[in-house]
Amino acid sequence: SAVISQKPSRDICQRGTSLTIQCQVDSQVTMMFWYRQQPGQSLTLIATANQGSEATYESGFVIDKFPISRPNLTFSTLTVSNMSPEDSSIYLCSVAVDSSRGEQFFGPGTRLTVL
Amino acid sequence: AQKVTQAQTEISVVEKEDVTLDCVYETRDTTYYLFWYKQPPSGELVFLIRRNSFDEQNEISGRYSWNFQKSTSSFNFTITASQVVDSAVYFCALSENNAGNMLTFGGGTRLMVKP
Repeated sequence: SAVISQKPSRDICQRGTSLTIQCQVDSQVTMMFWYRQQPGQSLTLIATANQGSEATYESGFVIDKFPISRPNLTFSTLTVSNMSPEDSSIYLCSVAVDSSRGEQFFGPGTRLTVL
Repeated sequence: AQKVTQAQTEISVVEKEDVTLDCVYETRDTTYYLFWYKQPPSGELVFLIRRNSFDEQNEISGRYSWNFQKSTSSFNFTITASQVVDSAVYFCALSENNAGNMLTFGGGTRLMVKP
């Protein structure tokens, strides 16, 4: 497994502003992912954060809205840009420690409320 | 395309009752992985189990047991003698071998265990 931390744990933001969420892992991992969980809903993959290259976004998510950085094998950031109330969600990062096993371990999440 | 269905959105039981959470999946891949995660009220996702498509042996871990049936594309989760601390949302997830570790989540089942 892996120990994953996220900052901030929660935030309340104003419409039109941006928030950057940090994800730190206690070991080097190849694959990091960002998910969104809207209130009362399941998890939806936003993008795969690739070290040394641009993130790979899923359908419905774009880089301008959710820019991602992955400067090294233990750290990634997700920015939620130009926020609206519809962006109110829990944002979770996850890592795959052993890509051959498929399982992902999740950070504690960032609970975002946009007013 | 892969899909995971958790038909039970909410289940309520009294402590010490047994409860089974259903999970049905769809995939065209012959190699895939199935997972269960627990999300307590605090919000973090806790990994419970991973099962690969070639291993249909059922598994028991304490009060938890899992029944994998490829013939019916199901991967059901049973909690024996439920406890209040089992109250959480439980997610079933699928990862196809050629999907780069991408997890597809079911809609989740909210389990409420009353004292």
